[in-house]
Amino acid sequence: GAGVSQSPSNKVTEKGKDVELRCDPISGHTALYWYRQSLGQGLEFLIYFQGNSAPDKSGLPSDRFSAERTGGSVSTLTIQRTQQEDSAVYLCASSLAGNGETQYFGPGTRLLVL
Amino acid sequence: KNEVEQSPQNLTAQEGEFITINCSYSVGISALHWLQQHPGGGIVSLFMLSSGKKKHGRLIATINIQEKHSSLHITASHPRDSAVYICAATASGSARQLTFGSGTQLTVLP
Repeated sequence: GAGVSQSPSNKVTEKGKDVELRCDPISGHTALYWYRQSLGQGLEFLIYFQGNSAPDKSGLPSDRFSAERTGGSVSTLTIQRTQQEDSAVYLCASSLAGNGETQYFGPGTRLLVL
Repeated sequence: KNEVEQSPQNLTAQEGEFITINCSYSVGISALHWLQQHPGGGIVSLFMLSSGKKKHGRLIATINIQEKHSSLHITASHPRDSAVYICAATASGSARQLTFGSGTQLTVLP
């Protein structure tokens, strides 16, 4: 079966523009996570969706970042008024039930803000 | 202090050597994960464990809950094992996201 997919794979944008990153989780997975890996930095948590519950947004670095998950499947991470420090690889992962079990990662979107 | 600490940060080994990567954590956890990230960035989950030991091929992961410590071992290492190995924890309680260690860059020389 298909794994987690993300699009676009690469995105170059100008400072101040808005960007949307998409994640298609594995079918049937109720939990979806967004993480970020900045150049030379470790992975950091951004936001977590579990079923129909309110998302855990505790990792979002600023109010320029938002995410939604429509119909319990596809998720979009939006960054408004991008800044150069937003340049990173944005990774999406999904898991079956969000109970601390194995997370399956997508290939990531490499974002470069000029 | 990070909640998840890994060591060493970098590790170079000769093909065939036995390799150990260590991970310590300071929070209560429901699970400890070992991930592998190859050049190009793809991340693969190797193990998820909450107690004892798991083995898959040449890879072995152990965890000591009392000491809040986990190890990843690679037996008979091979150049294709070269990657970044990342320890990550799922905190106990309602939070289900991963908290990551800084990763160990492993290079296995032929």
